[in-house]
Amino acid sequence: IAGITQAPTSQILAAGRRMTLRCTQDMRHNAMYWYRQDLGLGLRLIHYSNTAGTTGKGEVPDGYSVSRANTDDFPLTLASAVPSQTSVYFCASSDPGQGARNEQFFGPGTRLTVL
Amino acid sequence: QKEVEQDPGPLSVPEGAIVSLNCTYSNSAFQYFMWYRQYSRKGPELLMYTYSSGNKEDGRFTAQVDKSSKYISLFIRDSQPSDSATYLCAMRGSGTYKYIFGTGTRLKVLA
Repeated sequence: IAGITQAPTSQILAAGRRMTLRCTQDMRHNAMYWYRQDLGLGLRLIHYSNTAGTTGKGEVPDGYSVSRANTDDFPLTLASAVPSQTSVYFCASSDPGQGARNEQFFGPGTRLTVL
Repeated sequence: QKEVEQDPGPLSVPEGAIVSLNCTYSNSAFQYFMWYRQYSRKGPELLMYTYSSGNKEDGRFTAQVDKSSKYISLFIRDSQPSDSATYLCAMRGSGTYKYIFGTGTRLKVLA
């Protein structure tokens, strides 16, 4: 089934630990995104990648890093987790080649708790 | 001030009611508007897409954009319990493919 997968589904992490959230898509979309979703704040863009080999910073990039070695994978790394990074993380992808619509397809999310 | 404002709700309505969900925005450069639906513990899914001003209808759903007032709406007719979800508006300008999302409105349709 085509779509986006994220792993893990949920995680409890001690503060200071390093964590990588995985995201894989099989739609051959060029663009990929990482968001965090918090109550009252909605979806906020952390990092994005317009195509393999390139990345850019979103609205809330501090404390996070990404890489885009190939089209399908876009991992998000927390180098040293802090409690304020407790959130639900969504990966998304889109195909800008479809034109102005640029619909973003979202994964099922990763619930991360940092203690 | 946030670029996109959306009432978080929750909004509770009886089955069969007409629901109106709204977003306001401050950036006059926004031209592309979307409504996403998000069920509990799931990722958002695209519901409606509109370019510039005007109305768009799809079944029980109507999306409306009023660029002069910087105001967009989603109407749901004959609402069903299965419509219970969080609805997020999203919008962008022509110079970027990145969307700005509203905070989402939680809707509960009571059977």
